[in-house]
Amino acid sequence: DAGVIQSPRHEVTEMGQEVTLRCKPISGHDYLFWYRQTMMRGLELLIYFNNNVPIDDSGMPEDRFSAKMPNASFSTLKIQPSEPRDSAVYFCASNQMGSYNEQFFGPGTRLTVL
Amino acid sequence: AQKVTQAQTEISVVEKEDVTLDCVYETRDTTYYLFWYKQPPSGELVFLIRRNSFDEQNEISGRYSWNFQKSTSSFNFTITASQVVDSAVYFCALSELDTTSYDKVIFGPGTSLSVIP
Repeated sequence: DAGVIQSPRHEVTEMGQEVTLRCKPISGHDYLFWYRQTMMRGLELLIYFNNNVPIDDSGMPEDRFSAKMPNASFSTLKIQPSEPRDSAVYFCASNQMGSYNEQFFGPGTRLTVL
Repeated sequence: AQKVTQAQTEISVVEKEDVTLDCVYETRDTTYYLFWYKQPPSGELVFLIRRNSFDEQNEISGRYSWNFQKSTSSFNFTITASQVVDSAVYFCALSELDTTSYDKVIFGPGTSLSVIP
């Protein structure tokens, strides 16, 4: 398997623009997670899905952030409008069957909002 | 509430030295899982080990070893004869097993290890 795939790997945008991050989980995994990593706050869980259904979005910082999972092989995290404080590395991860299994992380998307 | 503490923010060692990364966790549950992940300078997060709360046996994998002690709520990670390639940020993580719902994994703040040649 190719592992978790994220695109783009790097994104530079200007404040106010819409940003869409993409993730393809490992085939057969039924959980998908979006994390944000910053120096100040470390690794934060933003939202996770089970069988394409959002289960917990309490980590989503504000309404400018939204995530979808239209099918088992694709998820997006959208920021609209983006702000400089959204600059971070965004990771997507997937796993199978629950919290007792390790999560497999994608390579991350480094987002810079100018 | 769940919490993972990694008190060592940064550690520097000289190559071939042994180094121990500390992890202390808090949980109210009797059933839980602990993890260690490695994040090398390239940025990806790599799974190293999973331990469940019923298994307190220490584990060794090559130069890596883990010491799980429920009495002190600690899950420490030791690298023997460190190498430059061990330079990375290491995260300890905790998840509680709930039979009715999924419990998210809580990551510690990470320890940045620098191995100097």
